[in-house]
Amino acid sequence: DAMVIQNPRYQVTQFGKPVTLSCSQTLNHNVMYWYQQKSSQAPKLLFHYYDKDFNNEADTPDNFQSRRPNTSFCFLDIRSPGLGDAAMYLCATSRDLTPRDEQYFGPGTRLTVT
Amino acid sequence: QKEVEQNSGPLSVPEGAIASLNCTYSDRGSQSFFWYRQYSGKSPELIMFIYSNGDKEDGRFTAQLNKASQYVSLLIRDSQPSDSATYLCAVNGRGGYQKVTFGIGTKLQVIP
Repeated sequence: DAMVIQNPRYQVTQFGKPVTLSCSQTLNHNVMYWYQQKSSQAPKLLFHYYDKDFNNEADTPDNFQSRRPNTSFCFLDIRSPGLGDAAMYLCATSRDLTPRDEQYFGPGTRLTVT
Repeated sequence: QKEVEQNSGPLSVPEGAIASLNCTYSDRGSQSFFWYRQYSGKSPELIMFIYSNGDKEDGRFTAQLNKASQYVSLLIRDSQPSDSATYLCAVNGRGGYQKVTFGIGTKLQVIP
């Protein structure tokens, strides 16, 4: 089945220790997104890639970076995690960027910062 | 003014009843409207989308859109305990790229 896969599902890191989260997709979608979702809050878009074009949201901290080495994979790097970065990180994909292109989410990675 | 507003709930309904979830949005030029279901600790799952004024039905789910009132709703008929989840309303903007904006979600509890 075509799907969005995220690894790991749970990640524990230490304060200030760099961490990388992974997302892959078999949908062959052009767009990949990273969202941060904290408890009882709406998902917050961090950035997205349209093919190889990177688009950062204005309020995304510099501490968050992303890489998309090919169509299938996208990574979220948190350079120096703080306690406030503990959250669920959601990867999503869409076929294109028109308003009618629905987004499909992976299962998420729950990040804990100790 | 929040761009997408939802009552966070919880909304409690008895099993078998109709659950009505509501969402308002601020951008009058919004074109596409999505409902996602999110179980506790899980990721959002797309369940409905609607683009035109009126009703759209899919099984037990009906999405309703009123662009003049900037209002979109989701009705769940014959509610089941397995429908207990948070329902996120998401809105996409006018032509060209506009990011999807999510509401905070309404927590639905279906009481057996």
